[in-house]
Amino acid sequence: QTVVTQEPSLTVSPGGTVTLTCASSAGAVTSAYFPNWFQQKPGQAPRALIYSISNKHSWTPARFSGSLLGGKAALTVSGVQPEDEADYYCLVHYGGVLVFGGGTKLTVL
Amino acid sequence: EVQLLESGGGLVQPGGSLRLSCAASGFTFRSYAMSWVRQAPGKGLEWVSAISDGGGYTYYADSVKGRFTISRDNSQNTLYLQMSSLRAEDTALYYCAKDVSWGATMPTSIDYWGRGTRVTVSS
Repeated sequence: QTVVTQEPSLTVSPGGTVTLTCASSAGAVTSAYFPNWFQQKPGQAPRALIYSISNKHSWTPARFSGSLLGGKAALTVSGVQPEDEADYYCLVHYGGVLVFGGGTKLTVL
Repeated sequence: EVQLLESGGGLVQPGGSLRLSCAASGFTFRSYAMSWVRQAPGKGLEWVSAISDGGGYTYYADSVKGRFTISRDNSQNTLYLQMSSLRAEDTALYYCAKDVSWGATMPTSIDYWGRGTRVTVSS
């Protein structure tokens, strides 16, 4: 079973920039893997942020962006707001099977 | 407005069965692949299963293959997950989720989520 790895935790100051990454045990993440990013706050359902590397949903704040970086999928948050404190999950597609990363707990401090 | 409303969760004994339902509205249900995703208490998200728009293709995580069956009724805009041989490790909040892509035969991306239905497997 393919394993998807994220940073367990990251801390960023309000107004700063932070990049979360998503690596695959199957090798470099490419467009064929359709990487997604989700935000989840305590007690809430996940909310989709990014799909297919860098595409934003209509509700995704402009400060969130997705990319490929050094063989990994990446989510960058520019101008971090206090309300961005949450768990972030990436999701990768492997020929019909989807695999979530373990999640990154983002602390805004 | 897209809405996904899960139901059918509850307490079940190990080895038992349960059927989850997800009532969809606000979009053309028959045109989108759908997934079930679960989250054990205090843990991360785990994709469980998906089904193509027409229902002809189904996909499962290794952890549930052979025990869970996904299906859909496009005339009723409803997604199902039949769970059998349940184990303690199946205890989780189960979410129904819609795929981004119209007409997809396999899941690739998720946009909308339901609020979940809780399944507890315990004696």
